[in-house]
Amino acid sequence: NAGVTQTPKFRILKIGQSMTLQCTQDMNHNYMYWYRQDPGMGLKLIYYSVGAGITDKGEVPNGYNVSRSTTEDFPLRLELAAPSQTSVYFCASSTTGVGETQYFGPGTRLLVL
Amino acid sequence: RKEVEQDPGPFNVPEGATVAFNCTYSNSASQSFFWYRQDCRKEPKLLMSVYSSGNEDGRFTAQLNRASQYISLLIRDSKLSDSATYLCFYNQGGKLIFGQGTELSVKP
Repeated sequence: NAGVTQTPKFRILKIGQSMTLQCTQDMNHNYMYWYRQDPGMGLKLIYYSVGAGITDKGEVPNGYNVSRSTTEDFPLRLELAAPSQTSVYFCASSTTGVGETQYFGPGTRLLVL
Repeated sequence: RKEVEQDPGPFNVPEGATVAFNCTYSNSASQSFFWYRQDCRKEPKLLMSVYSSGNEDGRFTAQLNRASQYISLLIRDSKLSDSATYLCFYNQGGKLIFGQGTELSVKP
């Protein structure tokens, strides 16, 4: 199993551009999450999903959108990139419940200039 | 009071030392608790779950103190490979909270 995979690994965006961060898991986990981690800080939850077709906001959802059309995929969309969105983005999944043991992808480093 | 507080460190300890970290949380209704380990510029990985009865895995022991609202992580006989940032995590009724992490550096 590949676990949780994320693409791209690194991206530079200009202010106002849009992009989609991809996240795929092959563990058949129902629960998936997107976090952002700023330097020296803990992870903050952006959005999460409890199953295909169901998503909910986390602590810092503004400026982001998600969709969950399949169990495997949970893409994160940035519509109008802003410098404040410069961060490392981690996708995670879990099997037994919201917030239970989470398996993380390797992260996407995003720089908005 | 902040939702979660961790001493950011760094904790610089010699090999073989015993080191302990605490993580305080604000909401007494919080449910599940975990410790994650994060190596530099890598993703977090689960270290261990935390139960009221305590949880031990080799050199690592995790404890939950609901009365004082904190969890702890004890590392015995520190190894160079234990150098990392340790993040506490708890589930507050669906609100998922990570601490900012405590940096541990184990020196020869």
